[in-house]
Amino acid sequence: DAGVIQSPRHEVTEMGQEVTLRCKPISGHNSLFWYRQTMMRGLELLIYFNNNVPIDDSGMPEDRFSAKMPNASFSTLKIQPSEPRDSAVYFCASSLGVVSRTEQFFGPGTRLTVL
Amino acid sequence: DQQVKQNSPSLSVQEGRISILNCDYTNSMFDYFLWYKKYPAEGPTFLISISSIKDKNEDGRFTVFLNKSAKHLSLHIVPSQPGDSAVYFCAARRNGQNFVFGPGTRLSVLP
Repeated sequence: DAGVIQSPRHEVTEMGQEVTLRCKPISGHNSLFWYRQTMMRGLELLIYFNNNVPIDDSGMPEDRFSAKMPNASFSTLKIQPSEPRDSAVYFCASSLGVVSRTEQFFGPGTRLTVL
Repeated sequence: DQQVKQNSPSLSVQEGRISILNCDYTNSMFDYFLWYKKYPAEGPTFLISISSIKDKNEDGRFTVFLNKSAKHLSLHIVPSQPGDSAVYFCAARRNGQNFVFGPGTRLSVLP
């Protein structure tokens, strides 16, 4: 099993540009989570999907952020326009079930730098 | 306001000694807790869990202790090894809701 796959691994862009982060969850997992990690706030949950449907997006910082999951094997997190304060590592994770007691499996993350 | 706190940003321990990582939470409704370990340039990986009906869970060199009255849990690593050097995240969950993560503690095990 390849695990959760994220691309790109690193992204450097200029302020105002659109950024799209991609995630392929583990096959068979029905929940997908997007997290952001910063030094100040640690790991923050941005949004999660269950069976491709967004369940809770209360962690999304503002309207510049949007996420989609068009099918069970693919999700995107888009930032438009990007700002320097969006610089962080963005993780995608998947799991079997939302309220399950099993752990979430994380991807390697995308390190985003907005200049 | 952080519901899960890890007040020590970093910790250094000598190889072979015990490492104790602490986590405090504010929500008394949390009923399940996890520890994740994260190496640089990798995503967090699950390490050990504990349910609120227990006060201790052990897995090899790793033991998690839960003190519900104090809203405190700790992760003990004995003996510590250089390969344990990583960032450790504590996470807590209320039944039916998602996990809330702490900010992490960076453990350095010195040879």
